[in-house]
Amino acid sequence: NAGVTQTPKFQVLKTGQSMTLQCAQDMNHEYMSWYRQDPGMGLRLIHYSVGAGITDQGEVPNGYNVSRSTTEDFPLRLLSAAPSQTSVYFCATRPGTGGAGNQPQHFGDGTRLSIL
Amino acid sequence: AQSVTQPDIHITVSEGASLELRCNYSYGATPYLFWYVQSPGQGLQLLLKYFSGDTLVQGIKGFEAEFKRSQSSFNLRKPSVHWSDAAEYFCAVGARAGTASKLTFGTGTRLQVTL
Repeated sequence: NAGVTQTPKFQVLKTGQSMTLQCAQDMNHEYMSWYRQDPGMGLRLIHYSVGAGITDQGEVPNGYNVSRSTTEDFPLRLLSAAPSQTSVYFCATRPGTGGAGNQPQHFGDGTRLSIL
Repeated sequence: AQSVTQPDIHITVSEGASLELRCNYSYGATPYLFWYVQSPGQGLQLLLKYFSGDTLVQGIKGFEAEFKRSQSSFNLRKPSVHWSDAAEYFCAVGARAGTASKLTFGTGTRLQVTL
């Protein structure tokens, strides 16, 4: 059981390039989310999804797009990378879609992204 | 809006010593509360959670936390720290109501364990 799988683990981009961070889960969880982690700022929610075809913005959505065509996958797209998007990105999932607390989230190992 | 404060950025303890990591939250009602641990290069792992009932909750790896409503706190404790506990610890609060409402994290406390 792989849980939450994020690819790639590391990536270096130049300013203006685009890329997609992949997140796949095999737990049949309805809720999937993307966070970014920056020193001294904890984890901040970028986008989340409560099921296939349903996405919504989190705390810091600007510069990022998401889509959810299947239950298993929730890719995060950077359309035009900026140095401010240098961060560690985590995908997290949980089975429930109600209030955030009814189930804890399961995290992937992260993607470390550097924008030059 | 909900928020979480972890006042200690970095804590150093000796192996075998007791540990307490502080967490204060702001939320209009009784929240859901979590502690996660993050080892270097890894994602976050759930240590324990509080939903309701007994205010002292037990978690994995010998950790416990106590919910104190009057102090808006959810401090994490361990009676005897092991070198393998060195990691970063995050407190998080989740809203009880609303559809897919977000989980808000504190900024984390980095624990160093000296031998």
